[in-house]
Amino acid sequence: GENVEQHPSTLSVQEGDSAVIKCTYSDSASNYFPWYKQELGKRPQLIIDIRSNVGEKKDQRIAVTLNKTAKHFSLHITETQPEDSAVYFCAASSNFNKFYFGSGTKLNVKP
Amino acid sequence: DTGVSQNPRHKITKRGQNVTFRCDPISEHNRLYWYRQTLGQGPEFLTYFQNEAQLEKSRLLSDRFSAERPKGSFSTLEIQRTEQGDSAMYLCASSLENTEAFFGQGTRLTVV
Repeated sequence: GENVEQHPSTLSVQEGDSAVIKCTYSDSASNYFPWYKQELGKRPQLIIDIRSNVGEKKDQRIAVTLNKTAKHFSLHITETQPEDSAVYFCAASSNFNKFYFGSGTKLNVKP
Repeated sequence: DTGVSQNPRHKITKRGQNVTFRCDPISEHNRLYWYRQTLGQGPEFLTYFQNEAQLEKSRLLSDRFSAERPKGSFSTLEIQRTEQGDSAMYLCASSLENTEAFFGQGTRLTVV
């Protein structure tokens, strides 16, 4: 089955700096890669996703890149704000059948 | 609220008791997923449905766990003879086929 690894487990940045979270996956059949943000005690919320036919996707301050050959994908947050502080999870899926999640990255944005 | 709804939000039960959770997906979403999340970990896949058919069940799921989606709308997850190791957040998500999944707020189970 699929194995998703996520790094780092914790990340602390100064407000305004960029943050990068990286994930690797093992199953070459995976073709959909969502990123979720989870605040304490709340549901995971989809913030951005990418399909395997695309190498990069941007949505305002958030971007995701995908390298299918190397089987890794990354989340980039620019101009970080304190409200970006949360736990971020990457996931991988083959045809949306089920999602394998990474172990999460706790992002702390210091004001 | 048109999002995924889960009930109850919290459940405390004694070891050995049976518990049942309910998930109401977003209307017209034909896929429904159950996940389990423990503190500091990512959601772990349990099972998923397309309409009323249960398409896959995790090998990690013991025979004490069962899920149903009888009419292809809401779903229930039952845990029989609960153990302390079952304490976790149980998350439900729904989606249309081949689109993003949306999560509910979860049911936090504590087995004492």
